[in-house]
Amino acid sequence: QKEVEQNSGPLSVPEGAIASLNCTYSDRGSQSFFWYRQYSGKSPELIMFIYSNGDKEDGRFTAQLNKASQYVSLLIRDSQPSDSATYLCAVNPNTGNQFYFGTGTSLTVIP
Amino acid sequence: DAGVIQSPRHEVTEMGQEVTLRCKPISGHDYLFWYRQTMMRGLELLIYFNNNVPIDDSGMPEDRFSAKMPNASFSTLKIQPSEPRDSAVYFCASSLGKTGLETQYFGPGTRLLVL
Repeated sequence: QKEVEQNSGPLSVPEGAIASLNCTYSDRGSQSFFWYRQYSGKSPELIMFIYSNGDKEDGRFTAQLNKASQYVSLLIRDSQPSDSATYLCAVNPNTGNQFYFGTGTSLTVIP
Repeated sequence: DAGVIQSPRHEVTEMGQEVTLRCKPISGHDYLFWYRQTMMRGLELLIYFNNNVPIDDSGMPEDRFSAKMPNASFSTLKIQPSEPRDSAVYFCASSLGKTGLETQYFGPGTRLLVL
């Protein structure tokens, strides 16, 4: 069983719509959760992190965490073509400082 | 801050040759990570260091791979001998790691092609 699982997509949404990206993890003791965005040919860059159950909003991005269900999601409101990228979910299992990354979800925002 | 620096940015070599990838972490960061990314396997952790000491190298695929961190500002990942299946993008990342909750910052990556 993989530590972190994501739907690989591709996910396509029209411009202005809400994009919903999902991630599940296997280690119930995990403490911190991160969403990275990776444009084609570029390195991953941090979008958001979340530690506590519930929602965390930052501009057009909202991260949602449900530790009981071992589920974390990223919502992108008012999606823009510039949001087209692969989104990586990362989990810190709290057994060190290493992260486990999902394989990523490819998002395309159609103008 | 300059961010994480990696060199070379691109490397093309022939099977059997030695390849050395280099990384300079963000100043003050005490954790350094080496990852490999391929389309098939995604982003895989190879090894990570804390205060220049290797902590977990269980992701290193085989003995052909080795990594060192002689000081806080420099690390190398060496592949000897290289094989075509080693072709991938290799990322170095660093973090503060004081509480185990800090994020990791990635370098631009080295795109390796082994012919």
